[in-house]
Amino acid sequence: RKEVEQDPGPFNVPEGATVAFNCTYSNSASQSFFWYRQDCRKEPKLLMSVYSSGNEDGRFTAQLNRASQYISLLIRDSKLSDSATYLCVALNFNKFYFGSGTKLNVKP
Amino acid sequence: DTGVSQDPRHKITKRGQNVTFRCDPISEHNRLYWYRQTLGQGPEFLTYFQNEAQLEKSRLLSDRFSAERPKGSFSTLEIQRTEQGDSAMYLCASSLGPPLGSGTDTQYFGPGTRLTVL
Repeated sequence: RKEVEQDPGPFNVPEGATVAFNCTYSNSASQSFFWYRQDCRKEPKLLMSVYSSGNEDGRFTAQLNRASQYISLLIRDSKLSDSATYLCVALNFNKFYFGSGTKLNVKP
Repeated sequence: DTGVSQDPRHKITKRGQNVTFRCDPISEHNRLYWYRQTLGQGPEFLTYFQNEAQLEKSRLLSDRFSAERPKGSFSTLEIQRTEQGDSAMYLCASSLGPPLGSGTDTQYFGPGTRLTVL
């Protein structure tokens, strides 16, 4: 079983929509979590860190549920520029474990 | 630019050749990570350094792969006798390391080296 699992998508949504991604992790000892955004053929870029129950940054909200071992990312008022792959990451004893990513396509 | 840099950005080589990639981390970062990423997958951990010490290597890192960080600054990743299955994006990331007892850390990626083995 992979350490971090995500729905690969793609999620195809219209501009202005709200979209949510879920991610599950297998190791309950994981300490911190992150969402990275990756554009095609580019490096991952940090979107949000999730250290406690959640974090909010503008249109983006991340939630952590340790009991169920999942992390979610909510994007409100989607923009065309939000189209990318979103990677869920768990930090466990100095190693970062990446999911395979969820692809988002925001359409006009 | 004070971010993570990698060189070269692209490398095309023939099967059986050796290749070496370089990564320059953010200057004050103690930790340096190497990952491999193939299409449709997330980055897979290869190895990481705390200063000049290589603390962990993945099972993915066969004996054809070697990484060094001789002075605790830049790092090199060498692949010997390349195979077509080595074709991938090789990503380097660096981080400050967790504040004592915090269990938290944040890593930042370089642009990657895209390797194509013919």
